[in-house]
Amino acid sequence: KNQVEQSPQSLIILEGKNCTLQCNYTVSPFSNLRWYKQDTGRGPVSLTIMTFSENTKSNGRYTATLDADTKQSSLHITASQLSDSASYICVVSARGSGNTGKLIFGQGTTLQVKP
Amino acid sequence: GAVVSQHPSRVICKSGTSVKIECRSLDFQATTMFWYRQFPKQSLMLMATSNEGSKATYEQGVEKDKFLINHASLTLSTLTVTSAHPEDSSFYICSASSGLRGRGNTIYFGEGSWLTVV
Repeated sequence: KNQVEQSPQSLIILEGKNCTLQCNYTVSPFSNLRWYKQDTGRGPVSLTIMTFSENTKSNGRYTATLDADTKQSSLHITASQLSDSASYICVVSARGSGNTGKLIFGQGTTLQVKP
Repeated sequence: GAVVSQHPSRVICKSGTSVKIECRSLDFQATTMFWYRQFPKQSLMLMATSNEGSKATYEQGVEKDKFLINHASLTLSTLTVTSAHPEDSSFYICSASSGLRGRGNTIYFGEGSWLTVV
C-alpha cells in the first residue's frame, strides 16, 4: 500500500533555532517527492521537488534531502522565523499515466515558531 | 504571485442549495486539474481529477452526482457542490500541473475555498 508518514506530528521551537522534519514513504514506483508549506486556511505552496537521482535540494532556509534507498526524506529549516509557523506536507508522486501520476500526501507536521 | 486562482475564497450557503467553486490557471494551460478537500487538521484528500474536454475521474467514495466537475477550457475547472449539507462544510483546494508528461513537473495549488453550509 502506498503510504507517506511524517514525523513529528507537531513541533514547537524558538525563533532562530533549526529543526528537521521527517518523511518516510512506501510508494512504488517512485516518481518524485515534494515538500509543501501550508499556512492555516491557505493552499499549499511548493518548497522543493526531488526526483530519484537527487539527494538534496535547497530553497533559501529550507533544505530537503532524499534517500531513495531507505525511502526517507527530511526537511531542514535553518534559523527559523515566526513566519515559518505552518503545516509542512510531504507529497510523494507515484509514477503513472498522465502528466502527474498519483500523489500520496502525508498527514503533515505542524510547526509553531515562538518568539 | 498566485498561478492558480480559486474563487470564491469563502462562501456560506444554505442547506439544500448548490455552490460553484472556480479554479483558474494563470499564465499556463492545464490539461489536468485536481480537486481536494481538507478537513481541519487533516491532510488533503483527492476528490477527483479534472480533464479538459472529458469527464472527470472521481476517487472511490466521492459522489459524482453531488460534486459536479466541469473542465470546459484549458484554464478553468469548476466544482459544483449540489444540494449541500452541513457535512459538506470543508476546505476545498484545486491544483493544476504545468509542464509536460513525465517527472518533476510543478504542481501549483490554489488558495483554497472555505465552504460553510448552514
